[in-house]
Amino acid sequence: GAGVSQSPSNKVTEKGKDVELRCDPISGHTALYWYRQSLGQGLEFLIYFQGNSAPDKSGLPSDRFSAERTGGSVSTLTIQRTQQEDSAVYLCASSPQPGETEAFFGQGTRLTVV
Amino acid sequence: QKEVEQNSGPLSVPEGAIASLNCTYSDRGSQSFFWYRQYSGKSPELIMFIYSNGDKEDGRFTAQLNKASQYVSLLIRDSQPSDSATYLCAVTPDSNYQLIWGAGTKLIIKP
Repeated sequence: GAGVSQSPSNKVTEKGKDVELRCDPISGHTALYWYRQSLGQGLEFLIYFQGNSAPDKSGLPSDRFSAERTGGSVSTLTIQRTQQEDSAVYLCASSPQPGETEAFFGQGTRLTVV
Repeated sequence: QKEVEQNSGPLSVPEGAIASLNCTYSDRGSQSFFWYRQYSGKSPELIMFIYSNGDKEDGRFTAQLNKASQYVSLLIRDSQPSDSATYLCAVTPDSNYQLIWGAGTKLIIKP
């Protein structure tokens, strides 16, 4: 596609429910990043994919968070048993190669846990 | 622990003046340096990148890199109210590593 696409753009869910967030990176980009950003805060790194593998999962806040990437393309971030503190904007970015070139961001998914 | 530090601000600059944003990084072997701008409620977008020591100019923006002192700065000349945003510094410790991000500096340009 023309840019990084994330869906849904907004998600309101009840505490305790599972949610899936989707990221469709720019075609051909091998590196994919997930970040979380709370209101007025900086980017919190969650996970990084190089192709389908995740060399760095160190940012996942708890075992309720998981992510996968298939076919070197689409990635899904799953949050199980959501909590109110999970409420944030979840941003996905992709780049042609890890770290050397510009990372392009999607518009984000705003998750609200009520 | 690889770190990137920025002053959170807010940094208030009068319209037409030069805004100077600074960023320091901990990994001496870092190779690539990026400045992103993020408007409130929007995603970050790239302003400039720099790989080599010295200055790199693009329009009203100049990135400055000093690897010996481990800092990178962004100068915005003739600041405009539309430059008001949060500016994020990102660094790549090596070519096969993910970006390390600073927390961002909020810049306010006063008309």
